[in-house]
Amino acid sequence: DVKVTQSSRYLVKRTGEKVFLECVQDMDHENMFWYRQDPGLGLRLIYFSYDVKMKEKGDIPEGYSVSREKKERFSLILESASTNQTSMYLCASSSPAMNTEAFFGQGTRLTVV
Amino acid sequence: AQSVTQLDSQVPVFEEAPVELRCNYSSSVSVYLFWYVQYPNQGLQLLLKYLSGSTLVKGINGFEAEFNKSQTSFHLRKPSVHISDTAEYFCAVSEPQGGSEKLVFGKGTKLTVNP
Repeated sequence: DVKVTQSSRYLVKRTGEKVFLECVQDMDHENMFWYRQDPGLGLRLIYFSYDVKMKEKGDIPEGYSVSREKKERFSLILESASTNQTSMYLCASSSPAMNTEAFFGQGTRLTVV
Repeated sequence: AQSVTQLDSQVPVFEEAPVELRCNYSSSVSVYLFWYVQYPNQGLQLLLKYLSGSTLVKGINGFEAEFNKSQTSFHLRKPSVHISDTAEYFCAVSEPQGGSEKLVFGKGTKLTVNP
């Protein structure tokens, strides 16, 4: 089974902290994604990566950055956390060879206080 | 940019009734279409997908969807729902472009099945 693992299910951080959300996939997928999920807004794409060290901005990249140093790992970084970044964060991976079906992690619920 | 519209944010139904969750997308080029389900406190899992071929696609848990290119729709249906189908459902579209596809999601439809 494909597995996408997010390092934490729940996180509480203080305003202004630098926050790292980690995601690891075990299927050698080329594409990896970070989404943010908020009630009534669905899933909004923050960043995605289609290869190691490659990244592209999604629809809401402001306040976030990403890192992909290895194919299996995609990190989302909140440079200076703010209360409006309190949300559920979902990581996903996919491969063009598998018709872009995305596999999701369990999500990280981040609360910024 | 592509967009996905899920026409109903909430759909309440009684157990064993049929249900249709509606989805329209904006792209005029060939796309891949997906329906995902999210149970409470879980990530998303794939229900079904349309890549090409037959416009009627069957998925897991008795769900099916019909691709209609002229209406740019991909509505999800189930002839008889169960309490356990209570969840949030997301329609998504991906435009195949070599190695840089991205999935665009609708805002979701919360299906509540009542006894």
